[in-house]
Amino acid sequence: KAGVTQTPRYLIKTRGQQVTLSCSPISGHRSVSWYQQTPGQGLQFLFEYFSETQRNKGNFPGRFSGRQFSNSRSEMNVSTLELGDSALYLCASSRNRDAAGELFFGEGSRLTVL
Amino acid sequence: AQRVTQPEKLLSVFKGAPVELKCNYSYSGSPELFWYVQYSRQRLQLLLRHISRESIKGFTADLNKGETSFHLKKPFAQEEDSAMYYCALHGRTGGYQKVTFGTGTKLQVIP
Repeated sequence: KAGVTQTPRYLIKTRGQQVTLSCSPISGHRSVSWYQQTPGQGLQFLFEYFSETQRNKGNFPGRFSGRQFSNSRSEMNVSTLELGDSALYLCASSRNRDAAGELFFGEGSRLTVL
Repeated sequence: AQRVTQPEKLLSVFKGAPVELKCNYSYSGSPELFWYVQYSRQRLQLLLRHISRESIKGFTADLNKGETSFHLKKPFAQEEDSAMYYCALHGRTGGYQKVTFGTGTKLQVIP
């Protein structure tokens, strides 16, 4: 079956702009998590969605938001972009909340903020 | 709070030598621990989970609650083991749950 798909794969924005990233989980997976990956900080948890509800949120400012649709697809949005937001944004899905530790990752969306 | 520590950013070993990637965790409850691996130009993928006590690609990891450790071991390193390895903890706190990752260790196997 198809893996986790993230779009776009690469994008370049300027400071102050906003960006929306999309994630399609593995078919049948209902939980979607987002991570920010940077060389210095590793993988930082952004948020987790299950059944269209945000179940947990990491320590990121309110400029970072997300949502999940009824088909489990998820989007995350970053508004008023800053240089420090340049990173690889990873989406991961899991079958359900009981198996939430067993994550299946997408290839990521690499965001560069100029 | 839950925390995962991987003290080594880079570990270089010769082919055929034993490998031990260290992972320590901090968590007040009963943890679920995992190792994830990212090979060059591939996506991050699950390697093994402590609950299944399995051996994948020759790697094993034992949960030591007394030392709060979950080190990844392999008796004989292969060149194809070169990759980035992440230790991860799945924790539940008050109805919330999340997976916390360590900062990763790059394993370099020298031919």
